[in-house]
Amino acid sequence: GNSVTQMEGPVTLSEEAFLTINCTYTATGYPSLFWYVQYPGEGLQLLLKATKADDKGSNKGFEATYRKETTSFHLEKGSVQVSDSAVYFCALSESSGTYKYIFGTGTRLKVLA
Amino acid sequence: GAVVSQHPSWVICKSGTSVKIECRSLDFQATTMFWYRQFPKQSLMLMATSNEGSKATYEQGVEKDKFLINHASLTLSTLTVTSAHPEDSSFYICSAKGTIGYNEQFFGPGTRLTVL
Repeated sequence: GNSVTQMEGPVTLSEEAFLTINCTYTATGYPSLFWYVQYPGEGLQLLLKATKADDKGSNKGFEATYRKETTSFHLEKGSVQVSDSAVYFCALSESSGTYKYIFGTGTRLKVLA
Repeated sequence: GAVVSQHPSWVICKSGTSVKIECRSLDFQATTMFWYRQFPKQSLMLMATSNEGSKATYEQGVEKDKFLINHASLTLSTLTVTSAHPEDSSFYICSAKGTIGYNEQFFGPGTRLTVL
């Protein structure tokens, strides 16, 4: 079946450090890929998405490229801020049927001033 | 656009009572709604998928008689937790897919249920 694997957290970085959160997937067909962010006590916010191979999603300094050859969608940011502290979820949307989402386990990021 | 609301945002109830959570799409028609459950520090687990006007499809291991889902209109779905017990305490999140975006789900802010 389809699945999403994220790197284990927590990830602790100093402000202005470079961030990478790895995400790989297993899927049939051509899924869409997403990164969501969840702040404490809140719901999910879409951070960025990519709908086909080689697409790059970007938002608020975060980027991720849909790599079909490596089945990956790693999240990167060149310089993190304390306000980026949150939990980040990688997800895929199945490419048929009800287009269910499959979520990764989430990676907690803590940025220190 | 693509706003999904949930009500209530939090609820505390006594064991044995039933609780209803509403999920509304505010500016688009939601042909499909999804209900998720999230335990502390864990990922979202899909509970069920509902299409407007038809019965919900539950994921394996989810008790359909305990978690009643109704999707009576294109803008409203409800989740009723019947005879709630402390182990039902969780964060419940809905999402909606429909006439906006390309098969993209739009998420509500979640409802925190605490059963005493």
